[in-house]
Amino acid sequence: AQSVTQLDSQVPVFEEAPVELRCNYSSSVSVYLFWYVQYPNQGLQLLLKYLSGSTLVKGINGFEAEFNKSQTSFHLRKPSVHISDTAEYFCAVSVLNRDDKIIFGKGTRLHILP
Amino acid sequence: GAVVSQHPSWVICKSGTSVKIECRSLDFQATTMFWYRQFPKQSLMLMATSNEGSKATYEQGVEKDKFLINHASLTLSTLTVTSAHPEDSSFYICSAPSDTREETQYFGPGTRLLVL
Repeated sequence: AQSVTQLDSQVPVFEEAPVELRCNYSSSVSVYLFWYVQYPNQGLQLLLKYLSGSTLVKGINGFEAEFNKSQTSFHLRKPSVHISDTAEYFCAVSVLNRDDKIIFGKGTRLHILP
Repeated sequence: GAVVSQHPSWVICKSGTSVKIECRSLDFQATTMFWYRQFPKQSLMLMATSNEGSKATYEQGVEKDKFLINHASLTLSTLTVTSAHPEDSSFYICSAPSDTREETQYFGPGTRLLVL
């Protein structure tokens, strides 16, 4: 079975500072990796995904993530956050078959401090 | 781009009643849709996989007789919460995989259910 661990439930960071949201996964088979963002009272929006190829993936809103197979990690980073980045961020995995199921981590709430 | 809609966006009902939530793929076909439940300040938990033309597949611990799923067409899946109780109050989100873009899922905006 697959699992996703987001070690930080909340991350406070000052506006314009860099941020890293950590994600580790566990799987005995190859997986796809995703980061989703959920703004208050809204659905999910895909930030970025890793399917194959370059381990550094760039997404929307200036976010990027790096796949590290040896450390089974897929940490999300942004060099300079904005107040509008305040949201819940979910790391997720999907197994490489036609099942299409996505397993989510517990989420990390990003608090941007003025 | 592809859009998934849900209706209603929020619903309040009395305990013991049934509530139907619709999930539609607006400009693409989805033979599979997924239903998630999200409790406050928690992650999304996959409840079931809705399959067009066949029975839904439920995750462990999800009561199939309580959460009825019907995938009526290639663009519509419904989730019916039967005999709802206050503990069923939650945010229900559906998703559908893209039929063209590899491993892309489109999520609906969610339905907030409050059972009194």
